[in-house]
Amino acid sequence: TQLLEQSPQFLSIQEGENLTVYCNSSSVFSSLQWYRQEPGEGPVLLVTVVTGGEVKKLKRLTFQFGDARKDSSLHITAAQPGDTGLYLCAGVGLGAGNNRKLIWGLGTSLAVNP
Amino acid sequence: EPEVTQTPSHQVTQMGQEVILRCVPISNHLYFYWYRQILGQKVEFLVSFYNNEISEKSEIFDDQFSVERPDGSNFTLKIRSTKLEDSAMYFCASRDYGYTFGSGTRLTVV
Repeated sequence: TQLLEQSPQFLSIQEGENLTVYCNSSSVFSSLQWYRQEPGEGPVLLVTVVTGGEVKKLKRLTFQFGDARKDSSLHITAAQPGDTGLYLCAGVGLGAGNNRKLIWGLGTSLAVNP
Repeated sequence: EPEVTQTPSHQVTQMGQEVILRCVPISNHLYFYWYRQILGQKVEFLVSFYNNEISEKSEIFDDQFSVERPDGSNFTLKIRSTKLEDSAMYFCASRDYGYTFGSGTRLTVV
């Protein structure tokens, strides 16, 4: 069974601080996605990483896929209150085929205090 | 920007009743999904649908669940006889390269 473990589960920081969220597995994934979810809404795709070692940047957010494609990280620089939300990682397992069903982490609930 | 629309946003039903959750996926997407999120737990895959048939389903998706795409636009999830443990947020999604999720239906079984 493929699992994704996400840490930390909760994070409360001050505006301007940096933070990193981790998503780890013992399994290899063909791709990994990061989502942000607001209360009462569905997950919104932020980025997909596909290649081992890949780094993608989205403004102050930096996403990295591990060389072995078993882990990923999300780094936020100079966090702002608008970054507050639930961040979820989700992976497509090897052998998922064209279905590409997602296996999810539990999420990191981030609160950025002004 | 194209979006996935789900209705209703909230549904309260009595145990044993049938419910139908509705979704309008993005029109040119080919893959459709239902996921659910029980409060405090991980999002779970239920079923994927491609070319007018189920392409994959999870162990959760037992005989009480069914999906249909009756008219080429709507995509429905039916739960025949709801149980208390079916209470969850149900998300519909459609995909071309990337996933787009709807806002979800919060189902409460009492």
